[in-house]
Amino acid sequence: QQPVQSPQAVILREGEDAVINCSSSKALYSVHWYRQKHGEAPVFLMILLKGGEQKGHDKISASFNEKKQQSSLYLTASQLSYSGTYFCGTERGGADGLTFGKGTHLIIQP
Amino acid sequence: NAGVTQTPKFRILKIGQSMTLQCTQDMNHNYMYWYRQDPGMGLKLIYYSVGAGITDKGEVPNGYNVSRSTTEDFPLRLELAAPSQTSVYFCASSPQGYGELFFGEGSRLTVL
Repeated sequence: QQPVQSPQAVILREGEDAVINCSSSKALYSVHWYRQKHGEAPVFLMILLKGGEQKGHDKISASFNEKKQQSSLYLTASQLSYSGTYFCGTERGGADGLTFGKGTHLIIQP
Repeated sequence: NAGVTQTPKFRILKIGQSMTLQCTQDMNHNYMYWYRQDPGMGLKLIYYSVGAGITDKGEVPNGYNVSRSTTEDFPLRLELAAPSQTSVYFCASSPQGYGELFFGEGSRLTVL
């Protein structure tokens, strides 16, 4: 079942923060986050495994609440390069690939 | 290091024609996947493979076929193309069944 992402779109000024949420009605083994620029392939950001961990690099971090089957992606002090569509992909523990959400469009304005 | 290579990048088909989208990876990954991406819908899994000789259906397999004769190659066959198959197709690979996906650049297919 497709995870639900929110918001569908967000417009920010450079330097502002954003939070993107991803929720599933099914028990999850892991949550992946990808960013896709227009006309390009999705690019991997990070994986969060069940256990409620939090990860981050640079000014992008994420958390995974296993009990609620929810993950959030945090972008702090956003840069113009952060613009794109962010997808969460959920995994239930098999080798049958990820189920992706519909994406969140992030626009960063100068 | 080429990674995941898809060909062709663009193709226009007429209704009823058939074609094969090629996908090759040079990372010795066992797991390979085909996704299609339609505007506003995210990526939908068509077929996947956990190793040479093993393939299985994903969420939207109708109208497609795959084969996996080698670790490197995972072609996607479209039989009797329909306008509903107009989409961008991404091939991806992974070293493990639960790890990061490495995507190809995509193949944009239009069926008229």
